[in-house]
Amino acid sequence: QMQLVESGGGVVQPGGSLRLSCAASGFTFGGFGMHWVRQAPGKEMEWMAFIQRDSGNKNYADSVKGRFIISRVNYQNILYLQMNGLRVEDTAVYYCAKEQAVDGAFDMWGQGTTVTVTS
Amino acid sequence: DIQMTQTPSSVSASVGDSVTISCRASQPIRTWLAWYQQKPGKAPKLLIYAASSLQSGVPSRFSGSGSGTDFTLTISGLQPDDYATYFCQQANTFPLTFGGGTKVEIK
Repeated sequence: QMQLVESGGGVVQPGGSLRLSCAASGFTFGGFGMHWVRQAPGKEMEWMAFIQRDSGNKNYADSVKGRFIISRVNYQNILYLQMNGLRVEDTAVYYCAKEQAVDGAFDMWGQGTTVTVTS
Repeated sequence: DIQMTQTPSSVSASVGDSVTISCRASQPIRTWLAWYQQKPGKAPKLLIYAASSLQSGVPSRFSGSGSGTDFTLTISGLQPDDYATYFCQQANTFPLTFGGGTKVEIK
C-alpha cells in the first residue's frame, strides 16, 4: 500500500526548532521528487519546499528560505524538513507530498502533522 | 510569484447539479495545472493533472479544461461524496502556488 506518514509536529516557542519526518512506503521513493506543503488554520495551501529525487536540486518558498532545510535519505525512504527560527506564522498542518513524474502534480499526500508555534 | 485566483469561494448546489469552478493564473502556465479535492481533516486528493487529465480512479464526472491563464473544473452530476473544498495549483514555476479554494456545500 502506497503511503506517506508524517511525524515530528508539536508545540514550540518562537525561535525554536523542529524536525519533521515523512516515511514513505509502497513505491520507489528514490524515483520521485518530494515536497512539503502547509496549511495554516483557515488559510489556503502554501508550498514550502521541493527536493529532487537525487537531492541534486532544492527549492524553497521565500517565507522559509534560510530557516527551513529539506533533505531525504532514499535508502531509508524518509523525507525531512528541518525547521529553525520558528515564528508564530509558521503554525500550520504540514504535509509531505509526492510529485507525479510527468507533470508536477502531487499524486500522494501524507495525513499531515501539526506544528504550533506559541509563547 | 504566480497568483492563482479561484472563483467562487463557495457554491451551494444540489445532488445532480453541475458545478463549475474557475482558476485564473496571473501569468501563462501552459497546462501546468492540477485540481485537488479536500475534505475536513483529510489530506488533499488529486483529481485532475495537466489541466485536463483525469487522475486514475477519479470518477469521470470530474473534468478539467483550459490552458494559458484560464482553467475550469467541472463536476457533472454532483454526488453526496463530492461535498468538499476544491483548489487549483500551478506547477509551472517555483514557487508553486495554490488557489484559495472553493467550498462546495449542500443546497
